[in-house]
Amino acid sequence: SQKIEQNSEALNIQEGKTATLTCNYTNYSPAYLQWYRQDPGRGPVFLLLIRENEKEKRKERLKVTFDTTLKQSLFHITASQPADSATYLCALDGSGGYNKLIFGAGTRLAVHP
Amino acid sequence: DGGITQSPKYLFRKEGQNVTLSCEQNLNHDAMYWYRQDPGQGLRLIYYSQIVNDFQKGDIAEGYSVSREKKESFPLTVTSAQKNPTAFYLCASSSRDRGLESPLHFGNGTRLTVT
Repeated sequence: SQKIEQNSEALNIQEGKTATLTCNYTNYSPAYLQWYRQDPGRGPVFLLLIRENEKEKRKERLKVTFDTTLKQSLFHITASQPADSATYLCALDGSGGYNKLIFGAGTRLAVHP
Repeated sequence: DGGITQSPKYLFRKEGQNVTLSCEQNLNHDAMYWYRQDPGQGLRLIYYSQIVNDFQKGDIAEGYSVSREKKESFPLTVTSAQKNPTAFYLCASSSRDRGLESPLHFGNGTRLTVT
């Protein structure tokens, strides 16, 4: 069955550094992959979508890469700030129809001043 | 502001009782979804609806029921048949504008505790 793996350990980095989060998947070739941000006690918020034929996508301080050979997506936040502290979820399009996303468990990012 | 409203934010029930979680959206989205989130696990799809008066089971529909009588509303009932109902429940919606790539818009969830 399709499986998404995100690092379950929290990522702790210093303010101003680049945070890199990893999303690996198996047993599937998704047409696209999405990244969401989730704050404690809140619903996820959509950040970026990258398609299988796109190597890289950028939005302000965010960058996402998609390597279909490695079956991996990397999510980068440059010049990180304490306000970037949250859990980041990746999701890929599941089989079986309309917008049925499969979500990873998320990686918690903590940016320290 | 457009968005999705879930209520209540916290809900406590005794085992054996059915409970209904509310989800309302004013985004004019056709599709709506219910997900369940448990610690250390990814969101799991319970039910989804692409259009009014139609809905399909997701991956973990057992013990749950839904209705979609209005475009704006997609209530979820957690029945006594659900073996582990304590969880964080998230409602979401999406438009058809970008087809399968349409991002999900989430509410802020209902945390259900059953004792």
